[in-house]
Amino acid sequence: EVQLVESGGREVRPGGSLRLSCEASGIKFDDYGMHWVRQSPGKGLEWVAGINWNGGRIGYADSVKGRCTISRDNAKTSLYLQMDSLRAEDTALYFCAGARGYTSPLSAWGHGTLVTVSS
Amino acid sequence: SYVLTQSPSVSVAPGQTAKITCGGNNIGHKPVQWYQQKPGQAPVLVIYDDSGRPSGIPDRFSGSNSGNTATLTISRVDAGDEADYYCQVWDSTSDHYVFGAGAKVTVL
Repeated sequence: EVQLVESGGREVRPGGSLRLSCEASGIKFDDYGMHWVRQSPGKGLEWVAGINWNGGRIGYADSVKGRCTISRDNAKTSLYLQMDSLRAEDTALYFCAGARGYTSPLSAWGHGTLVTVSS
Repeated sequence: SYVLTQSPSVSVAPGQTAKITCGGNNIGHKPVQWYQQKPGQAPVLVIYDDSGRPSGIPDRFSGSNSGNTATLTISRVDAGDEADYYCQVWDSTSDHYVFGAGAKVTVL
């Protein structure tokens, strides 16, 4: 059974930093492109960042470019998102999602970790 | 950047058919995915590459894509289909995933 389990979300002050993690099991992790997708309270889905199987291809949404860094450790079957200079509009549930190919359909999803940016 | 436009909501009686549209410039030239998200749950892929169905998704779910509109059709709707549905494409110009704003399906 495919499992993606996110962690690291918490309440943080504006301007602060956070590192989200996602641990995968039940999949051949290095066959998957991995992505972060967020959902602000009561809103729709927004792609945040993605990384291909070996880290050679990385992309960011304009809303987070320059403030976030996505990375992965295939040996630990884990995905990460370092978030800096956090803003109130970054408040959201952050999902980890996997695709068999960097631009392929997102076939595996975690349940999300909540980030709240508030003073 | 590429924009996907979804009608915000659809109401349908049990047993009837729900159609959700997703508009985009020449979207017919792009593979479209559809995700179902029930309250408090993670999204689930229900249609990939316009009309493919992942394992475990009932054949009541079908998709089509042509011109400037992609469509998700849910036949014989039941209460368990009540959810938000999002269309999605990969925009090669921006190198980004793009999601529609979502459409809420309400079963009367």
